[in-house]
Amino acid sequence: QKEVEQNSGPLSVPEGAIASLNCTYSDRGSQSFFWYRQYSGKSPELIMFIYSNGDKEDGRFTAQLNKASQYVSLLIRDSQPSDSATYLCAVKGGSQGNLIFGKGTKLSVKP
Amino acid sequence: DTEVTQTPKHLVMGMTNKKSLKCEQHMGHRAMYWYKQKAKKPPELMFVYSYEKLSINESVPSRFSPECPNSSLLNLHLHALQPEDSALYLCASSQVGPNIQYFGAGTRLSVL
Repeated sequence: QKEVEQNSGPLSVPEGAIASLNCTYSDRGSQSFFWYRQYSGKSPELIMFIYSNGDKEDGRFTAQLNKASQYVSLLIRDSQPSDSATYLCAVKGGSQGNLIFGKGTKLSVKP
Repeated sequence: DTEVTQTPKHLVMGMTNKKSLKCEQHMGHRAMYWYKQKAKKPPELMFVYSYEKLSINESVPSRFSPECPNSSLLNLHLHALQPEDSALYLCASSQVGPNIQYFGAGTRLSVL
């Protein structure tokens, strides 16, 4: 059974702080890794994707991947109240390329 | 353009009704997906079409019937649904394989 684990939170950080979201996955054959942001009642929105070990930065967001530890994280710098949402970690692998989602971490950024 | 368009945005139907959800993309993607999402849960995969052929059916009840008429369109036909089928139904598309999946805005379905 392929699994993706996330701390459900809620994770509460003050405005301007760094929010750190973590995710582990069970399938060593996983090839690509995604972070989606989902506001309440809305559809998931792609924030970051990463395929290779190491860090990938895009604006205030940094994704980190460690395949040996089967661990992927998302850092949000200078957190804003508008970042308050549920963050879904998703992993894809194999020829079918199906996304396997974690249960999501709810982030709350307090002004 | 990374847009996946879903219609309708909202749908209320009775248990004896027949309705269809529609999804369209023009990104040249050859994989399309239907997901069901209940409140405070992650999206749950229902069906995958790859090159317009059904490649995955995650043991979904037969009251849900998918259709992929061409590479840009994906439908989900609904018949004799139950109140517990009320959820957000999401369509997504991607290139075939472990590639980025883009989601539509979803259809909020209520079954009375």
